[in-house]
Amino acid sequence: DTGVSQDPRHKITKRGQNVTFRCDPISEHNRLYWYRQTLGQGPEFLTYFQNEAQLEKSRLLSDRFSAERPKGSFSTLEIQRTEQGDSAMYLCASSQDRGSNQPQHFGDGTRLSIL
Amino acid sequence: GDSVTQMEGPVTLSEEAFLTINCTYTATGYPSLFWYVQYPGEGLQLLLKATKADDKGSNKGFEATYRKETTSFHLEKGSVQVSDSAVYFCALSAGNQFYFGTGTSLTVIP
Repeated sequence: DTGVSQDPRHKITKRGQNVTFRCDPISEHNRLYWYRQTLGQGPEFLTYFQNEAQLEKSRLLSDRFSAERPKGSFSTLEIQRTEQGDSAMYLCASSQDRGSNQPQHFGDGTRLSIL
Repeated sequence: GDSVTQMEGPVTLSEEAFLTINCTYTATGYPSLFWYVQYPGEGLQLLLKATKADDKGSNKGFEATYRKETTSFHLEKGSVQVSDSAVYFCALSAGNQFYFGTGTSLTVIP
């Protein structure tokens, strides 16, 4: 169990640029989740996958946000045309596929700063 | 919609004091409830969970009981230690939705 891995740890970019983050879940975990966390707030759920299927995406913040998990292993979160308000910590988590009562294991996050 | 409301911090306690962090929830179904903890410089990790009414989750001396009648899941510890200093998050999962509280920062002083 090597834990959930996120890359990069930090991303600084100019407003209007596209950014992509990667998440590698714990190998035996079928479920993968993306959250956004701003300073002083709890994680805000964005989307999740069961294997390669994206089961919930209604809470993605806008159509500039998209996520993929093409082979049911790693996942990417892309933000297009970034805005100042996108500055936040983006967290990935994974869990076993035994229903919503399974604990999620979190990565250390990718901190995004928009100049 | 579903939500979690958590006691605001920060909370500062002396070592060996009793801790309570309040958490209440709103849910239309039968959610599972969790407490996660984030120690300084680390990622979130599960502290304890309860999946149905009247369940008590416990870990590392912390306890929380799933109270459906009061829609609460308060976190308690009888005697806190300096090493318990962290941010604590109450969380709810129901179907395909997941909600976290805003977090409560706890500092325990010797």
